[in-house]
Amino acid sequence: SQKIEQNSEALNIQEGKTATLTCNYTNYSPAYLQWYRQDPGRGPVFLLLIRENEKEKRKERLKVTFDTTLKQSLFHITASQPADSATYLCALGAGGSQGNLIFGKGTKLSVKP
Amino acid sequence: GAGVSQSPSNKVTEKGKDVELRCDPISGHTALYWYRQSLGQGLEFLIYFQGNSAPDKSGLPSDRFSAERTGGSVSTLTIQRTQQEDSAVYLCASSSGQGPKNIQYFGAGTRLSVL
Repeated sequence: SQKIEQNSEALNIQEGKTATLTCNYTNYSPAYLQWYRQDPGRGPVFLLLIRENEKEKRKERLKVTFDTTLKQSLFHITASQPADSATYLCALGAGGSQGNLIFGKGTKLSVKP
Repeated sequence: GAGVSQSPSNKVTEKGKDVELRCDPISGHTALYWYRQSLGQGLEFLIYFQGNSAPDKSGLPSDRFSAERTGGSVSTLTIQRTQQEDSAVYLCASSSGQGPKNIQYFGAGTRLSVL
């Protein structure tokens, strides 16, 4: 069955460092991969989308890579800030009109000042 | 409205009772999704509506769960004869188009506690 793994439940880093979160998947060939941020008591908020034919996507301090050979996506936050502390979810979607995304369990990032 | 609205924000019920959870999607969004998030777990897909097409119910965990979407807008998720394992946060999302290339906008969720 399809499986998504986010490499760690929690990641603690120092302010100013680069945070790297990993999303691995098996038994799946997604056409799209999305990353969301979720704060306590809130719904997820979209951050970035990357397509299977794209290697990398950037938005301000965020960078996402997508390696369909390794079946892995990396999510980077450069110059991290305490305000970046949240849970980050990766989500995979098939091509075509299949509407639902498959979400990972998330990685809780804590950025210490 | 400006975003996806869910009500109630919290619901406490007794085992065996029925509950209804409501979702108001972003105006004009044709796709609507329901997810369940249990403590420490990821989002579990429940059901997906797209326009006038038949909904994708493949994620509903049992026949106690049902959902409808009236007039292509507001949706209600109904859980009959609630069980303690139904306790979770129920999240609704909407998107402007069909398929996973579209961004999903989430509400804040309804926290359901079954005693």
